[in-house]
Amino acid sequence: DTEVTQTPKHLVMGMTNKKSLKCEQHMGHRAMYWYKQKAKKPPELMFVYSYEKLSINESVPSRFSPECPNSSLLNLHLHALQPEDSALYLCASSQEENTEAFFGQGTRLTVV
Amino acid sequence: KQEVTQIPAALSVPEGENLVLNCSFTDSAIYNLQWFRQDPGKGLTSLLLIQSSQREQTSGRLNASLDKSSGRSTLYIAASQPGDSATYLCAVSQPFSGNTPLVFGKGTRLSVIA
Repeated sequence: DTEVTQTPKHLVMGMTNKKSLKCEQHMGHRAMYWYKQKAKKPPELMFVYSYEKLSINESVPSRFSPECPNSSLLNLHLHALQPEDSALYLCASSQEENTEAFFGQGTRLTVV
Repeated sequence: KQEVTQIPAALSVPEGENLVLNCSFTDSAIYNLQWFRQDPGKGLTSLLLIQSSQREQTSGRLNASLDKSSGRSTLYIAASQPGDSATYLCAVSQPFSGNTPLVFGKGTRLSVIA
């Protein structure tokens, strides 16, 4: 099983809402990642968790808050987002930091 | 800072042609290079992974090569099919400390015409 599952697939939220994106993998991978992708652009790294600890935060605004409750689960909590935050949010995982990365199908987020 | 460039940005070919996508990177201190496929609005599907010590990898009609010293990789697609139409992204993996783990190129948008 090389599957990374993201929920929901689509999300529309207002600028005052609080929502969460969820990512799950059962491959025993110890590194998990959040990426943001705008249309016709490559994915941009947001956060990296390694062994359930936040190891990289790419200067992401505090309205995005990651959480790694256990080794299989990664959440991204959203609060007071702006319309320019509308994008495809991708989760990925890898066995270690230098091994093959597997991506989920993404959550299409629209902020209105 | 690592930079990854993909050429061409877009490519349109008739069905059945063999084609080559190019990827170059500026810093040869990589762990591996990975080729992905992305369909519109979807996630990334891993196609091939080449470790820094390897020269090439093959999967079906796909063959990827790596020349780490010159900072280049190519993805060869044999006998292209309309179902191959997608954006192809190359990404290099680097050590965590101070570096971004996966650095992506901007992709090549491939269209295979039936």
